[in-house]
Amino acid sequence: QVQLQQSGPGLVKPSQTLSLTCAISGDSVSSNSAAWCWIRQSPSRGLEWLGRTYYRSKWYIDYAGSAKSRVTINPDTSKNQFSLQLNSVTPEDTAVYYCAREKDYSGMDVWGQGTTVTVSS
Amino acid sequence: DIQMTQSPSTLSASVGDRVTIACRASQSLSTWLAWYQQKPGKAPKLLIYKTSNLESGVPSRFSGSGSGTEFTLTISSLQPDDFATYYCQQYNRYPLTFGGGTKVEIK
Repeated sequence: QVQLQQSGPGLVKPSQTLSLTCAISGDSVSSNSAAWCWIRQSPSRGLEWLGRTYYRSKWYIDYAGSAKSRVTINPDTSKNQFSLQLNSVTPEDTAVYYCAREKDYSGMDVWGQGTTVTVSS
Repeated sequence: DIQMTQSPSTLSASVGDRVTIACRASQSLSTWLAWYQQKPGKAPKLLIYKTSNLESGVPSRFSGSGSGTEFTLTISSLQPDDFATYYCQQYNRYPLTFGGGTKVEIK
């Protein structure tokens, strides 16, 4: 059974960097049939896909255009996890952040538990 | 980016009702569309992928149809556990985008 366990702080100060980690069990971050995504949800923006990382003979990383300049997603094969960094946060980045597995051609079938992140001084 | 529009935004129904939720895309998706159910405080749960394929473990009262830009999610007989918010999501083109959600409430 595949599980995703998120970790990271729930409070970040404006202008600082939001950092979250998603640990994978039951699958591999290097899987050739999955991608590993970050999504956030807020009342004002709804569900917003931030980006993904995946391995197909080499590593690929895709970002959504909205936060592309501020987002970094990295795989960590040694710990079988992947991470999200969002720079220069503002209160508009306050949201519930989720990691998820995207199976090839099959949608996002496994989700982390969600992390509520508040941006406030 | 592909825009996804769901209707209605809220739906009031009774146990046993047949419920239909619509999702429209701003451009053709072929059949690369998924549906999710979300309950308060929980992550979305995948119900249907590739328009009409039921995810493992999802009850058969859920079904999906459509192609191109028009899609529907149908619940054939609403059960108490089905009161939740439903989202469509396209994966024809990146970035992935979601609809605004349809909240199914008790009538």
